[in-house]
Amino acid sequence: DVKVTQSSRYLVKRTGEKVFLECVQDMDHENMFWYRQDPGLGLRLIYFSYDVKMKEKGDIPEGYSVSREKKERFSLILESASTNQTSMYLCASRGAGASSYEQYFGPGTRLTVT
Amino acid sequence: AQSVSQHNHHVILSEAASLELGCNYSYGGTVNLFWYVQYPGQHLQLLLKYFSGDPLVKGIKGFEAEFIKSKFSFNLRKPSVQWSDTAEYFCAVKVRSGGGADGLTFGKGTHLIIQP
Repeated sequence: DVKVTQSSRYLVKRTGEKVFLECVQDMDHENMFWYRQDPGLGLRLIYFSYDVKMKEKGDIPEGYSVSREKKERFSLILESASTNQTSMYLCASRGAGASSYEQYFGPGTRLTVT
Repeated sequence: AQSVSQHNHHVILSEAASLELGCNYSYGGTVNLFWYVQYPGQHLQLLLKYFSGDPLVKGIKGFEAEFIKSKFSFNLRKPSVQWSDTAEYFCAVKVRSGGGADGLTFGKGTHLIIQP
């Protein structure tokens, strides 16, 4: 089974802090994704990566950056956390190729910025 | 950009009732379609997917969905729901634009509550 793990289930940070959310997958997947999930808005794509050191902006990248130094690890960085970044953050991964569009999701990190 | 519309944000049914959740997408080209489910306190799981071929696809736990290309729809159905089907359901689309790792476009979700 594909396993996607996220470093924290719950996180509370103060406004202005730098926040790191970590995601690790164990299936040697090329592609990794960060989404945020908000009630009534569904999931929205923040950033994705299709290879080590490669990244692309998703639909809502403002206020976020990412890092992918190793294939199995994809980090989401909030440079200066703000209260409107309070949300559930979901990491996902999938393999390469047209037959692999299914994404596998981690358990999520619920971030509260006070 | 493509969009996904889920018609009902909240649905309440009694056990054994039949279920149909609507999903429409806006892109006119080739797409892959998914339904994901999120049970309370659990992570997103794939219910079923459509890539090509038979437009009626069957998934886990008795769910099925029908792709109707002319209507840009991918509605989720289950003939008889159970209390354990209480969850949030998300429809998602992947545009087949020639590859790349861009993510799925999700609908806003439908919160389904099954009353015993």
